[in-house]
Amino acid sequence: DTEVTQTPKHLVMGMTNKKSLKCEQHMGHRAMYWYKQKAKKPPELMFVYSYEKLSINESVPSRFSPECPNSSLLNLHLHALQPEDSALYLCASSQVPSGYYNEQFFGPGTRLTVL
Amino acid sequence: DAKTTQPTSMDCAEGRAANLPCNHSTISGNEYVYWYRQIHSQGPQYIIHGLKNNETNEMASLIITEDRKSSTLILPHATLRDTAVYYCIVFGNEKLTFGTGTRLTIIP
Repeated sequence: DTEVTQTPKHLVMGMTNKKSLKCEQHMGHRAMYWYKQKAKKPPELMFVYSYEKLSINESVPSRFSPECPNSSLLNLHLHALQPEDSALYLCASSQVPSGYYNEQFFGPGTRLTVL
Repeated sequence: DAKTTQPTSMDCAEGRAANLPCNHSTISGNEYVYWYRQIHSQGPQYIIHGLKNNETNEMASLIITEDRKSSTLILPHATLRDTAVYYCIVFGNEKLTFGTGTRLTIIP
């Protein structure tokens, strides 16, 4: 199984809502990532989890809260988002967080719209 | 991580080899060159990576110059399904930093 799954595929939420994005992989990977991609722009790294611990936070606003409950799961909790947070949110995983074996496998993304 | 420079767009005829260049003149000795592509509305897909030797896999070949300041991704027999944005990334410290990439269009 070389797949990263993300749910939901699409999400529409209001600025006062709380929602969560989920990501799952069963490849035994020990690094997991969240990226944000605005239309016609490249993906931008948000967070890196290495061995279930947050190792990189790219100065992401606190209205985005990541969580890694175990080595297969990664969540992104959303609260009080702004319309400009509307984007495609991509999850990825890799065998290890750095070095030669950092081929990252990406999920299909969750397309988020904030009204 | 070192920055990369790629052409904004390229066309290639179907069945021909597509050669995508990338400059990474500030790459340091322990940084790898990775290539990913993103087909419209999908997540990025890993293609190939290397440190200093040329590499080949079932998808593509990667040619890295001896001074490591530039590289070329070669898709040997391009098909319409290879139409995508191709990202050349210099990777060192856990962070994959995507540049603007090259939009490759395969022409029938």
